[in-house]
Order: sequence, then C-alpha cells, then structure tokens
Amino acid sequence: DTAVSQTPKYLVTQMGNDKSIKCEQNLGHDTMYWYKQDSKKFLKIMFSYNNKELIINETVPNRFSPKSPDKAHLNLHINSLELGDSAVYFCASSQKASGSSYEQYFGPGTRLTVT
Amino acid sequence: AQSVTQLGSHVSVSEGALVLLRCNYSSSVPPYLFWYVQYPNQGLQLLLKYTSAATLVKGINGFEAEFKKSETSFHLTKPSAHMSDAAEYFCAVTPYSSASKIIFGSGTRLSIRP
Repeated sequence: DTAVSQTPKYLVTQMGNDKSIKCEQNLGHDTMYWYKQDSKKFLKIMFSYNNKELIINETVPNRFSPKSPDKAHLNLHINSLELGDSAVYFCASSQKASGSSYEQYFGPGTRLTVT
Repeated sequence: AQSVTQLGSHVSVSEGALVLLRCNYSSSVPPYLFWYVQYPNQGLQLLLKYTSAATLVKGINGFEAEFKKSETSFHLTKPSAHMSDAAEYFCAVTPYSSASKIIFGSGTRLSIRP
C-alpha cells in the first residue's frame, strides 16, 4: 500500500505547454503540500492545503495552481511551462491535529523536464 | 521565525566509521525537529523526530540524534557507517505550536568509502 502516490513519475514536455501532476494520500491526513526540489537538492515549499483550504502559498508564479478536490488529493497544474520549472516536485502529507507530531510523509516525486 | 543550518554540504566517511551530520536550528518557540533521508531518485523518508520528550532520539537504521537546547543543535550520528547509508540527509524544524510549515535545511550528502 503506497501512502503518498504521485503521477506521473516522469514528465518531459516543451516550453509553453500546460501540464498537471496528481497526488493522493491514503493516510487519512488533513494537510497536504507541494515542494519543489532543484538540481542542488534544495527543497522549497510551494503550497499547503488543510482540509481542502489553502493555508500556505509561498512566492510562486501564478502559472502554478494547486487544486484540492478532497482531503486525500492535491493536484498541481502548471501553465505555460518554462525551462526554469524543470525540477523534481514532491507531494507530502501530515496530520495537523492537536497532539500530532506533524511529521510529513513524502511521495516518490515527479521529475519534470522542460525542453 | 525558524531556520535550519546544516554544516557541510558533503560528508565522506569510511565504512564502519562514525557518521556525524551537523544541524543547528533557530526558533523563537519550542521546536519539533526532524531528520529525513533521501535515497537516489526517491522521496524523503523520516529517520527520526524530536517532539520535546527525550532529548536523545533513536531512529531507523541505527541513527540517533541529540537535542541540545543550549547549543541549538540536533546533530545526527551513527556509530558505524554502512554502504547503504549513502544518501542525502535533511534536517528540518517546525514550531510545535503551529504545524503549518516545516523548514528544511539545505541537505548534506553522505558518501561512504569502502
């Protein structure tokens, strides 16, 4: 049983295209996240949703639009892809409820290559 | 505001030697602290966590870390390195009063020499 899954694992596309990455968690968590990891392994949080509500929205171009249809899913849509968007994108989830220790569980990542 | 500094972007040790990966944090409120490991082409996996209970925390794969408030440190150690420990290691902090965001360090790549 995969706790946090992402699709696709690899995504190669051309500049200007629009693409989506899907994420699902079966841990029953109430909070989900999107991170971007660059070529130097630096992890940067992009968005976070708690119970389908956006709670973190870092300085990210508005070409990136997250969508959470329910607590178990958080998708990421990217418009007009640019070369600089090439990175590995990780989805994660955690439980924000009182008494939790808040550790995050990560998906396997989606390697996006923009040519 | 919280922040994490990992000293040394790359650490290389011989197989069987002590592993020491350094992490210093800054937090205006009591923190929760984590170490994550990322194997090549995989996601991050939780190694261990400090949540204000015991200051010496044991994790998976023989790793442990000690929370030292006076030094604002949370260094990761393993007595004897194994080839399979080669990976990227991330220290992270979140204020226990608010779990909205975890701040990750820049990572330390651990290499193991045969």
